[in-house]
Amino acid sequence: GENVEQHPSTLSVQEGDSAVIKCTYSDSASNYFPWYKQELGKGPQLIIDIRSNVGEKKDQRIAVTLNKTAKHFSLHITETQPEDSAVYFCAVRSGTYKYIFGTGTRLKVLA
Amino acid sequence: DAGVIQSPRHEVTEMGQEVTLRCKPISGHDYLFWYRQTMMRGLELLIYFNNNVPIDDSGMPEDRFSAKMPNASFSTLKIQPSEPRDSAVYFCASSLATYEQYFGPGTRLTVT
Repeated sequence: GENVEQHPSTLSVQEGDSAVIKCTYSDSASNYFPWYKQELGKGPQLIIDIRSNVGEKKDQRIAVTLNKTAKHFSLHITETQPEDSAVYFCAVRSGTYKYIFGTGTRLKVLA
Repeated sequence: DAGVIQSPRHEVTEMGQEVTLRCKPISGHDYLFWYRQTMMRGLELLIYFNNNVPIDDSGMPEDRFSAKMPNASFSTLKIQPSEPRDSAVYFCASSLATYEQYFGPGTRLTVT
């Protein structure tokens, strides 16, 4: 079955710096790659996603890149702010409907 | 739209008791998913429904777990009898077709 690895598990950056989180997956048939942000005591919130026919997608300070050949995708957050502090999860749609989630990255933005 | 609604938000029960978690998906969504989140295992898919019909329950850990979706606006996840190892946060999510899934706020279950 699909296996998703996410790195790093924790990440601390200074406010205003960039943060990058990477995920690798194993199933070359996977075709949808969302990223979720989870704040303490809340459910995961979809922040950006990318489909396999696209290499990069950007939404303001957030971008996702996909390398299907290497089977990895990354989340990029620029000009980080304290409110970006949260746990971020990547996910891969495996099969028709299932998501397989990464293990999460705890991002801390230091003011 | 109010988003996915889950109740209760917190549940504390004793081992052996029955627990019922409830979910109201986003109106118009045709897929509903139940997940469990723990520190050890992360986010795990338990079961999902399409148009109220269970499609894949391979993630349900044991026969003690059951889920139903009697109509398009309501689903339940039941644990009977509950055990301490069932303590986790349970999330419901819904989607239109098979792409973006939207999660509810979760139910934090503690079994003592």
